[in-house]
Amino acid sequence: DSGVTQTPKHLITATGQRVTLRCSPRSGDLSVYWYQQSLDQGLQFLIQYYNGEERAKGNILERFSAQQFPDLHSELNLSSLELGDSALYFCASSVGQLPNQPQHFGDGTRLSIL
Amino acid sequence: TQLLEQSPQFLSIQEGENLTVYCNSSSVFSSLQWYRQEPGEGPVLLVTVVTGGEVKKLKRLTFQFGDARKDSSLHITAAQPGDTGLYLCAGLLGNEKLTFGTGTRLTIIP
Repeated sequence: DSGVTQTPKHLITATGQRVTLRCSPRSGDLSVYWYQQSLDQGLQFLIQYYNGEERAKGNILERFSAQQFPDLHSELNLSSLELGDSALYFCASSVGQLPNQPQHFGDGTRLSIL
Repeated sequence: TQLLEQSPQFLSIQEGENLTVYCNSSSVFSSLQWYRQEPGEGPVLLVTVVTGGEVKKLKRLTFQFGDARKDSSLHITAAQPGDTGLYLCAGLLGNEKLTFGTGTRLTIIP
């Protein structure tokens, strides 16, 4: 058990819809990272928040947004969903802000777009 | 184009055999990590290597970082079914983000 909690575990929705994925980091961790894992693209970094502020951005689409709340949990919002957005979405957390520190991953949210 | 190429993509061997998987790039990384991911779970960090030429051992697993910090290898001795999983390398460029490799899916046959 990594201590990182992601909800929901599975999400099925239709094209054009909007969903919110939730992540609770390990106790004491200030950084939250979001990743997308698909069969053709592998594990791709989307965005990182540190102590409530955006710290680094990766291959995140404009239709996607994220935030980290004062209690350090984070949400990833995906809108105008397309078939290609079907993937596993992982959240990871770490103590500090540098990404070379150990990142602890949740078990992911599997998003299926019909 | 993937920044980090891993080979082989798939590997299936008998229990007790040795194996090596590779992680290659044309970029220089400040550090490199190896993860193992099992079905239905997130990746779990195995090791971080930082110095060119560095070798780290974790029980039957030996990790090496290339001298030029562009590549890495993972060697498993006497593989066991519990070693089955997706092995991912991840390199850090500067201090901004981890870039994950394409992965090696390893199956150990009892």
